[in-house]
Amino acid sequence: GESVGLHLPTLSVQEGDNSIINCAYSNSASDYFIWYKQESGKGPQFIIDIRSNMDKRQGQRVTVLLNKTVKHLSLQIAATQPGDSAVYFCAESGVGGKLIFGQGTELSVKP
Amino acid sequence: EPEVTQTPSHQVTQMGQEVILRCVPISNHLYFYWYRQILGQKVEFLVSFYNNEISEKSEIFDDQFSVERPDGSNFTLKIRSTKLEDSAMYFCASTAGVTKNIQYFGAGTRLSVL
Repeated sequence: GESVGLHLPTLSVQEGDNSIINCAYSNSASDYFIWYKQESGKGPQFIIDIRSNMDKRQGQRVTVLLNKTVKHLSLQIAATQPGDSAVYFCAESGVGGKLIFGQGTELSVKP
Repeated sequence: EPEVTQTPSHQVTQMGQEVILRCVPISNHLYFYWYRQILGQKVEFLVSFYNNEISEKSEIFDDQFSVERPDGSNFTLKIRSTKLEDSAMYFCASTAGVTKNIQYFGAGTRLSVL
């Protein structure tokens, strides 16, 4: 069945370093992916999305890479800041628009 | 910036009681969703709603759950007889289109069933 998962449950980085958060998905027919950031006590906040006809998409300090061959998605955060500390989820947009979320990676930024 | 708003932020109820969780989606959005997140776990899809009817529901969304858009503004999730395992964060989301469109989430309602 469909599933989206993350490789690492936690990631600790030094402030100013770049962060890379990974995600694997199993449904090769998936054509839309979203990264969300969730801070403690809050709802998921949209970061960046990518469609399957693209390999890379850049936002402000964030880049999403999509490798359809190995069904892998990654989120790169440049110059990580303490405010980036949160849980990051990848999500696959399935049939009918529902989102299928991965387990989440907790990013901790050390000052 | 438009946002999805949810009330209450925290709801405490006794097992077996009915609860209604409320959401006001972004005003020009047409597709609405409920998700839940058990503490420490991933966000799980419950139900999607469009044109005043359910589009899709998950296995979690059994006969104890219902959704309604009573007045064209609010979008509600009702749990008729709460169970201990219903304790979770419940998130409402809305989007303008059904596919390849960003879903915007509310801050959630924490439901505690005692």
